[in-house]
Amino acid sequence: QLVESGGGLVQPGTSLRLSCAASGFSLREFDMHWVRQGPGKGLEWVASIKWKSGASDYADSVRGRFTISRDNAKNSLHLQMNSLRVEDTALYYCAKDKSVTAASYLDSWGQGTLVTVSS
Amino acid sequence: SSELTQDPAVSVALGQTLKITCQGDSLRSYYGGWYQQKPGQAPLLVMYGRNRPSGIPDRFSGSSSGTTISLTITNVQAEDEADYYCNSRDSSGTRVVFGGGTRLTVL
Repeated sequence: QLVESGGGLVQPGTSLRLSCAASGFSLREFDMHWVRQGPGKGLEWVASIKWKSGASDYADSVRGRFTISRDNAKNSLHLQMNSLRVEDTALYYCAKDKSVTAASYLDSWGQGTLVTVSS
Repeated sequence: SSELTQDPAVSVALGQTLKITCQGDSLRSYYGGWYQQKPGQAPLLVMYGRNRPSGIPDRFSGSSSGTTISLTITNVQAEDEADYYCNSRDSSGTRVVFGGGTRLTVL
């Protein structure tokens, strides 16, 4: 199970830190992702962190502003979001990867946390 | 813009068979997944490669040909009405991409 938290209403240019608490599995054993969905829009992959190396990658739209990290001791995933823009407004999902092949299959999702960036 | 292309919307009569497609160059190298999303709910993985997660009805099946993957739903039910998204790695293999989604309406 994945439970996101930390969303809210913030002004452009400010920061926010999202968290995702995992239970029932150890997230250090799986690649993990953040995926967002803007109002009335489709799914957009945001960032991922590899289970083995801890290497991270980002969508071009957030690279340099967002940082994904994990706390193995607390079995939690985080997304530090800086320099937020209006277009970052979305429901942010935390998702677990099956991590069985080089392909990416997200087999467990949280219910999402809403981030609204507005002045 | 998405590297995976889906038809925005399709409709099918109850009990009929439907095929939803997803096209992208990266699908030649990385088999895609399919997700079902109903209003107000998180996405649900319904197909990965040619495999169904446990609990997904066998009315759902997946196939692939070249740069296109397909999700076939036989004997479509009212509860299948949802948005369907495909995903894969991008052409570099490092990032993840989603298709724009296909809205399925059951008539």
